[in-house]
Amino acid sequence: DAGITQSPRYKITETGRQVTLMCHQTWSHSYMFWYRQDLGHGLRLIYYSAAADITDKGEVPDGYVVSRSKTENFPLTLESATRSQTSVYFCASIQGEDTGELFFGEGSRLTVL
Amino acid sequence: SQELEQSPQSLIVQEGKNLTINCTSSKTLYGLYWYKQKYGEGLIFLMMLQKGGEEKSHEKITAKLDEKKQQSSLHITASQPSHAGIYLCGADSQISNFGNEKLTFGTGTRLTIIP
Repeated sequence: DAGITQSPRYKITETGRQVTLMCHQTWSHSYMFWYRQDLGHGLRLIYYSAAADITDKGEVPDGYVVSRSKTENFPLTLESATRSQTSVYFCASIQGEDTGELFFGEGSRLTVL
Repeated sequence: SQELEQSPQSLIVQEGKNLTINCTSSKTLYGLYWYKQKYGEGLIFLMMLQKGGEEKSHEKITAKLDEKKQQSSLHITASQPSHAGIYLCGADSQISNFGNEKLTFGTGTRLTIIP
């Protein structure tokens, strides 16, 4: 099915473990983004990518790593998870240069114990 | 960096009543976007405003961007249960040729509709 999908939708892990959240979009959108949503902070940009092999930091990149070897995939890795990374993570993509409309995935809820 | 403040943070409205949500920016807005988030789901794009004084409507939702381009309001007329959710404004703080690739979001307004 066309769209943007995230996996896993729910994940519980322990402090210090590596976790990867996957994001896949079927539209061939150039831009992709990772946001985290926390109570009191709203949505904050972690990393974004303008195209395959082009990534850049957002507002809160520390502790996260991204890659974009293929246009359709944009995985987010927590190399050593911390409790402060407990959050809901949203992946998004943009259709074109001028539409202004981000398409969001349904989110991945991560709990770090 | 761009900061967006939304008010109120939460709103409980009786079905059928009108309501307004505000989004105020610390900087001039070059693009203002409204999104809606249903509980436990991703965000859905509602509207985009770019010009000072611009107003757009979709069904019973109207959004305006003030002339000075530092504040936007979202107005819902005759609210329905389907309007319940979290409303977030997002903004560009700089002129960009590539849409909203660096959107900053407000903290959101949680809207509850009661029968």
